[in-house]
Amino acid sequence: QSALTQPASVSGSPGQSITISCTGTSSDVGSYNLVSWYQQHPGKAPKLMIYEVSKRPSGVSNRFSGSKSGNTASLTISGLQAEDEADYYCCSYAGSSTFWVFGGGTKLTVL
Amino acid sequence: QVQLVQSGAEVKKPGASVKVSCKVSGYTLTELSMHWVRQAPGKGLEWMGGFDPEDGETIYAQKFQGRVTMTEDTSTDTAYMELSSLRSEDTAVYYCATDWWSSSAFDIWGQGTMVTVSS
Repeated sequence: QSALTQPASVSGSPGQSITISCTGTSSDVGSYNLVSWYQQHPGKAPKLMIYEVSKRPSGVSNRFSGSKSGNTASLTISGLQAEDEADYYCCSYAGSSTFWVFGGGTKLTVL
Repeated sequence: QVQLVQSGAEVKKPGASVKVSCKVSGYTLTELSMHWVRQAPGKGLEWMGGFDPEDGETIYAQKFQGRVTMTEDTSTDTAYMELSSLRSEDTAVYYCATDWWSSSAFDIWGQGTMVTVSS
């Protein structure tokens, strides 16, 4: 069982928006603004899409955005495109003993 | 631009050890905090351990303590992850990853190394 809880799957049609939730606890997501999101296509290494809750790395489309409320972080993808179909993982810092924890991953299907 | 290039696939028998390498190019290893993340077939990402720059120590996830050792050869800018007492559940892709520019997330990843544990 993963430390952070994500829905197993979400889906949306091209052009629509979807949101993926990532629920942790007051020991990780709730305590630190160090939540990141990764996109992973089949057979590829993960790619950083969002860091520090809502910051976007250079080169990542502004269709991707992140937010946090309490113990739950969220990734929103607007204007869905076929190439957004992938697995998405959240990750949070969890203190100096546990360090980093990941969510179980969410499979995004673009219908 | 930092690149991480990992060693090739490995097949090991239960009880054996495996050592995966991760060579840094475009930067020096001493200026990076290297971490290791694994992914079992069809499963999610799992942080195994990494360097904590706050105290200069390598931190291991509790699940792997006693079985994993992460080392660095600064003369060749190569990081290593050795996992011992292998069992079938250790079959996974092992990634090295670093927080090169963000200092707060895994912004650069290696290509992954497949380790298969089978008798």
